[in-house]
Amino acid sequence: EVQLVESGGGLVQPGGSLRLSCSASGFIFSTYAVHWVRQAPGKGLEYVSGISRDGGTTKYADSLKGRFTISRDNSKNTLYLQMSSLRVEDTAVYYCVETAGGYWGQGTLVTVSS
Amino acid sequence: DVVMTQSPLSLPVTLGQPASISCRSSQSLVYSDGNTYLNWFHQRPGQSPRRLLYKVSNRDSGVPDRFSGSGSGTDFTLKISRVEAEDVGVYYCVQGTHWPGTFGQGTKVEIK
Repeated sequence: EVQLVESGGGLVQPGGSLRLSCSASGFIFSTYAVHWVRQAPGKGLEYVSGISRDGGTTKYADSLKGRFTISRDNSKNTLYLQMSSLRVEDTAVYYCVETAGGYWGQGTLVTVSS
Repeated sequence: DVVMTQSPLSLPVTLGQPASISCRSSQSLVYSDGNTYLNWFHQRPGQSPRRLLYKVSNRDSGVPDRFSGSGSGTDFTLKISRVEAEDVGVYYCVQGTHWPGTFGQGTKVEIK
């Protein structure tokens, strides 16, 4: 069974940092591009970032302005999102997504608040 | 990036009546291996998205057969033959053929 399990969310103050992880199982992780997508409370989905299967190509939403860094460790079947200079508007549930097969994690909540 | 355009964005439906959602891509979604990586998801309020259909028309385990998917190339459709109350929520089409994967805007289905 394919599973994507996010972790690392929590409450952080504005300006703080957080690293999210997504642990993959049930498929050959290294052969798929994966992405982070977020959803603010009561809002629609927003693309955050993506990384190619070998990690050589990355993409970020323009709105992030270099504050987030995506990476992956194929030996650990894990995707990461390093978030820094967090803002209140970054508050959302962050999902790990594999778009070719259509696999979606359950999400991890990031709350940025003082 | 491939642009995914869903329509309508809001769909009021009557219980027991059919419903249809269109998803169009700015490029063909046929991959070099012959597959079309177009998936449909359903998100109920307060829940994470759940995959309904993969590779255009393949229903996931547990998905009722009132859900069907069709289309090819750049035009795709999700149909619900008879809408039930549990079908409310937002439906998304997502393509994984081209880098990066891209998402439709979502279609909100609600009961009239």
